[in-house]
Amino acid sequence: GENVGLHLPTLSVQEGDNSIINCAYSNSASDYFIWYKQESGKGPQFIIDIRSNMDKRQGQRVTVLLNKTVKHLSLQIAATQPGDSAVYFCAENGDGGFKTIFGAGTRLFVKA
Amino acid sequence: DTGVSQNPRHKITKRGQNVTFRCDPISEHNRLYWYRQTLGQGPEFLTYFQNEAQLEKSRLLSDRFSAERPKGSFSTLEIQRTEQGDSAMYLCASGGLRQNTEAFFGQGTRLTVV
Repeated sequence: GENVGLHLPTLSVQEGDNSIINCAYSNSASDYFIWYKQESGKGPQFIIDIRSNMDKRQGQRVTVLLNKTVKHLSLQIAATQPGDSAVYFCAENGDGGFKTIFGAGTRLFVKA
Repeated sequence: DTGVSQNPRHKITKRGQNVTFRCDPISEHNRLYWYRQTLGQGPEFLTYFQNEAQLEKSRLLSDRFSAERPKGSFSTLEIQRTEQGDSAMYLCASGGLRQNTEAFFGQGTRLTVV
């Protein structure tokens, strides 16, 4: 079936640098995308979302970019901090906009 | 804390036993989801309720699994005759009625079948 995948399983960055986490999705009919952060032993935590009628959305220190032409999603984290160390999942809502499908995740390591 | 509560947080059971997990969603949320997550993987969709109606079940949800949401509030997920392959984190999430809005996840129930 349709799924959402990630290019890199792990990413290591220096504290203070910017991080970019990438995601490829395959369901061209998806019109809502979400990034979640998951820390060890906890449930996924919503970070930021974007609808398909947008190509960029900014939050606090985070930016999501959507390229529908190549079905690519990215999460940019500015001035990465040790507290940003976690697994990041991109996800899409399919099937009428109510079911969230997750990819496998990227683990972000922040080096002090 | 997202407001979605799951109990218990951890469960260790012997193979062949039945287990039941509970999820209390955010009170005004109509949608409730169950996911399963194994180590190193993303959450896999199991089932979805809108109010008390179970609208979709994944093929992952074998006949040993049953989920209920009898009054449209809390939900339970029961696994009968547990197998070692059922060991995973079981996540519950809830969301509002509007399409294309985020779901809020609980902390999960970690099941270990020995």
